[in-house]
Amino acid sequence: AQTVTQSQPEMSVQEAETVTLSCTYDTSENNYYLFWYKQPPSRQMILVIRQEAYKQQNATENRFSVNFQKAAKSFSLKISDSQLGDTAMYFCAFMKSSGNTPLVFGKGTRLSVIA
Amino acid sequence: DAGITQSPRHKVTETGTPVTLRCHQTENHRYMYWYRQDPGHGLRLIHYSYGVKDTDKGEVSDGYSVSRSKTEDFLLTLESATSSQTSVYFCAIGRGLETQYFGPGTRLLVL
Repeated sequence: AQTVTQSQPEMSVQEAETVTLSCTYDTSENNYYLFWYKQPPSRQMILVIRQEAYKQQNATENRFSVNFQKAAKSFSLKISDSQLGDTAMYFCAFMKSSGNTPLVFGKGTRLSVIA
Repeated sequence: DAGITQSPRHKVTETGTPVTLRCHQTENHRYMYWYRQDPGHGLRLIHYSYGVKDTDKGEVSDGYSVSRSKTEDFLLTLESATSSQTSVYFCAIGRGLETQYFGPGTRLLVL
């Protein structure tokens, strides 16, 4: 069974600064997908970024980028130029590559962006 | 996401009563999922569906049943609600290549 671990329950960052959220996972699969979801106070789950394990290039989406280390089973999220609207819970999630299989989530990291 | 709705959005019920939550999609996707979110646990899978009348259990399926009689609707039923089922329930759809998008959630309180 796959497991996802987010070791930082809470983090804070000054506005305009950069912050990195950690995620490690355990799997025996060779091909899979990794995700970061954002959950603001509205509780809506919003997809931030997606990484395919067979791609060596790290995914980026505007101010969000990942550092994917397959051998170390690590998948961290970097938020650059943090904004107040980035304040949210962030969840790391894993999906096997056999096609629309259920997600396995970490317990989340609560990020506060401070003005 | 505009393509996924959940109803009701909030519900208060008493222990022992049956409760049905509805997830509706307008995009004709094959895969649908029910998760629950509890403090300290992240989101955990209850049941999922890979087609009409095709469903499978997840990690926390005890006390829950599901039905999918048409593509657009995926129903989650608590046969006899317990206080441990107080939670926020999220429906998700599998859209495109291995990516899930979530509905707005239903907050359920069982007294």
